[in-house]
Amino acid sequence: AQRVTQPEKLLSVFKGAPVELKCNYSYSGSPELFWYVQYSRQRLQLLLRHISRESIKGFTADLNKGETSFHLKKPFAQEEDSAMYYCALSSVGGGNKLTFGTGTQLKVEL
Amino acid sequence: EAGVAQSPRYKIIEKRQSVAFWCNPISGHATLYWYQQILGQGPKLLIQFQNNGVVDDSQLPKDRFSAERLKGVDSTLKIQPAKLEDSAVYLCASSTRQGIQETQYFGPGTRLLVL
Repeated sequence: AQRVTQPEKLLSVFKGAPVELKCNYSYSGSPELFWYVQYSRQRLQLLLRHISRESIKGFTADLNKGETSFHLKKPFAQEEDSAMYYCALSSVGGGNKLTFGTGTQLKVEL
Repeated sequence: EAGVAQSPRYKIIEKRQSVAFWCNPISGHATLYWYQQILGQGPKLLIQFQNNGVVDDSQLPKDRFSAERLKGVDSTLKIQPAKLEDSAVYLCASSTRQGIQETQYFGPGTRLLVL
């Protein structure tokens, strides 16, 4: 069975501080990992996916298969990063359904 | 391009009543998903359509939930009869594939409160 764990419900950091949102997964096959973000009063949207290996809005995430992790990182938090972040997993070739974690609320304080 | 549309945005009903939600996906998107998001949890897939056929409905409580996408475009999700635990946000998403990458686009959701 697929499972995504986000251990922190709330993460509060100061502006300019580094950010790391943790995500661990369990899946027996070959997973595709995503980070989705929901800003206040906006709809859920894709932030980044591991196969793209790109930086979006300063965020990066590396898939670590040994530790089954896909942590989201940003070196310097900005106020506009405050949002709800969801880690999600999709099975490659498995119909593309997403299994989401419970989410982490990031609050960037001035 | 216009995003995924959902209606109504909010609905309050009493338990044992029926309710229906509507979703209009992004034009040209063949795959449509319905997710249930209970407060404090991540979205959970209820059903996935490819055009007008069901791909996955393994987590749909079929004794009370039903969904259809008759013409392969719009979709409706129905709950009959509703229970208190059905209170949640119901999200519709549609997806398109570019090469090997698929991206799901989400609607604003319908917030259901069952009293």
